[in-house]
Amino acid sequence: KNQVEQSPQSLIILEGKNCTLQCNYTVSPFSNLRWYKQDTGRGPVSLTIMTFSENTKSNGRYTATLDADTKQSSLHITASQLSDSASYICVVSADAGNMLTFGGGTRLMVKP
Amino acid sequence: DAGVIQSPRHEVTEMGQEVTLRCKPISGHDYLFWYRQTMMRGLELLIYFNNNVPIDDSGMPEDRFSAKMPNASFSTLKIQPSEPRDSAVYFCASSYPSGIRQYFGPGTRLTVT
Repeated sequence: KNQVEQSPQSLIILEGKNCTLQCNYTVSPFSNLRWYKQDTGRGPVSLTIMTFSENTKSNGRYTATLDADTKQSSLHITASQLSDSASYICVVSADAGNMLTFGGGTRLMVKP
Repeated sequence: DAGVIQSPRHEVTEMGQEVTLRCKPISGHDYLFWYRQTMMRGLELLIYFNNNVPIDDSGMPEDRFSAKMPNASFSTLKIQPSEPRDSAVYFCASSYPSGIRQYFGPGTRLTVT
């Protein structure tokens, strides 16, 4: 069964600090891995999308890594801001791109 | 671009009533997806369309749920009859022909009492 596990479930950090969110998956065959940011009351917004051959991708202060051998990904947030407070969802695709398995998300709170 | 538009944003209905959720995808996108999000189960893909044709509806929970896409700019998700366990946020998303990057709408929060 395809599964995506994220950790931690929730995280509180101080503004300006860095943090790393983890994602482990057992999706096969692997097509791509995506990280989404979801603000409270809003729809998810895509941060990064990585295919099998990519092991890192950045989007501003967000950097995602992918280890296809160990089936792990991480999302690193640098110099956090209050606006980074949101849920971060790891999503893995098992085909050309449209059948997705979602992780449960990590709820991040950045405090001043 | 207005993005993906969903209506209504909030819906409260009584058990047994019919509920219709609406979605207008981004112009030029030919993939449309319906998702459901709950605290217990997170985000779940219900069904997706390509060029107005349903491609995979294996995520539709039961026969009470149905989805249509009569044209490239409009889709509906209908629940009949609704039950309290259908209470969730329902998202619509659309994407370009590559189908990889999906753009989500703001969601419809459904409460069935």
